[in-house]
Amino acid sequence: AIQLTQSPSTLSASVGDRVTITCRASQGISSALAWYQQEPGKTPRLLIYDVSTLESGVPSRFSGSGSGTDFTLSITSLQPEDFATYYCQQFNTNRLTFGGGTKVEIK
Amino acid sequence: EVQLVESGGGVVRPGGSLRLSCAASGFIFDDYGLSWVRQAPGKGLEWVSGINWNGATIGYADSVKGRFTISRDNARNSLYLQMNSLRAEDTAVYYCARGSTYYDYWSFYSYWGQGTLVTVSS
Repeated sequence: AIQLTQSPSTLSASVGDRVTITCRASQGISSALAWYQQEPGKTPRLLIYDVSTLESGVPSRFSGSGSGTDFTLSITSLQPEDFATYYCQQFNTNRLTFGGGTKVEIK
Repeated sequence: EVQLVESGGGVVRPGGSLRLSCAASGFIFDDYGLSWVRQAPGKGLEWVSGINWNGATIGYADSVKGRFTISRDNARNSLYLQMNSLRAEDTAVYYCARGSTYYDYWSFYSYWGQGTLVTVSS
């Protein structure tokens, strides 16, 4: 199965900061990559799919980029509600995989 | 409104069995693939199994292959996960999720249930 490696595993930032999370695939996944946000005790929320398409209702401060094996999720001007854990997910094959997660903490 | 409601979780001894159900509403059930995704306490998300719209294409994570069986009943708008030979490491919240592209389950997931907790312990 394709492995997804996220970095960093934990990120400390302040409100207003720009943050970037990286997701690296063990082999090429074309543009079949999604990003999710999960707050403690809540279900995952889809943020971005097909690398860079924003899900309806998601603020424009979230953006995604990348291709092949290297992808990034960026959040410009971090807001209090953005402190959460973020996961990437590939759907290029019929054995789906998630990254290990990146926890965005308040500095 | 799309709704996915899981049930069937509980406490089971190692080696035991459990059957999870997911009742769906608010969309044309047999238009979409579905998956089970789990999350162990304090850990990340792990895809468990997926099934396409008519059950003809099914996939499993290596960690559950041969022990878990996914199925669906389109007449009842329901998804199931039969879990046998359960181990302590299967302890997790199990989520039902609806794929966002027609028919296949290898997709991204816009809709998730609230999850049902499975605890495997002696």
